[in-house]
Amino acid sequence: SYVLTQPPSVSVAPGKTAKITCGGNNIGSKSVHWYQQTPGQAPVLVIYYDTNRPSGIPERFSGSNSGNTATLTISRVEAGDEADYYCQVWDSTTDHRVFGAGTKVTVL
Amino acid sequence: EVQLVESGGGLVKPGGSLIVSCAASGFTFTTYGMAWVRQAPGKGLEWVSSISSGGGYKYYAHSVEGRFTMSRDNARNSLSLQMNSLRAEDTAVYYCARESSTGAYRPHFDYWGQGTLVTVSS
Repeated sequence: SYVLTQPPSVSVAPGKTAKITCGGNNIGSKSVHWYQQTPGQAPVLVIYYDTNRPSGIPERFSGSNSGNTATLTISRVEAGDEADYYCQVWDSTTDHRVFGAGTKVTVL
Repeated sequence: EVQLVESGGGLVKPGGSLIVSCAASGFTFTTYGMAWVRQAPGKGLEWVSSISSGGGYKYYAHSVEGRFTMSRDNARNSLSLQMNSLRAEDTAVYYCARESSTGAYRPHFDYWGQGTLVTVSS
């Protein structure tokens, strides 16, 4: 089955840029979606189809996907961005939906 | 406003059964696929099951296939997950989520409920 690899944690100072990677075999050929989850809350979709932001998501959140790595970028990081972030794809060979293990973003 | 409200969680003994449900409102339920995603305490998200808009196609994670059954009632805008032969490792918050996909099939979860906790313990 398809595997997505994320770093367990990323630390970033306020106002700086955070990059969260999601690795997978030829992931560039798939569509990657990203979710933000704060403690005790349900996940929220922040990026879909690699680069699209749902309404209400700040422009500071952006995504890219090429080769074997997809990346979620958070610009001008704020304290409120501290959360767990998960990437997700659809595995067409099994029809399974697959999540990465998640990355905890800490704002210093 | 899209709303997904789960119910039915609770404490069940290993080997037991439980049904969790999801009531949907604020959108045309019959035009969307739906899914269950779970999260064990302190762990990440795990996709459990998905069902097509008409209910004719169902997909299950390997970890629950043969034990869990997902169904939907489009007349009542509701979803359910029948869980049998429950194990301690099934302990998790179970989220109901709406699946969205436009153009080529690339499902993602655009709305989530607040979840219901299922605890499997003797």
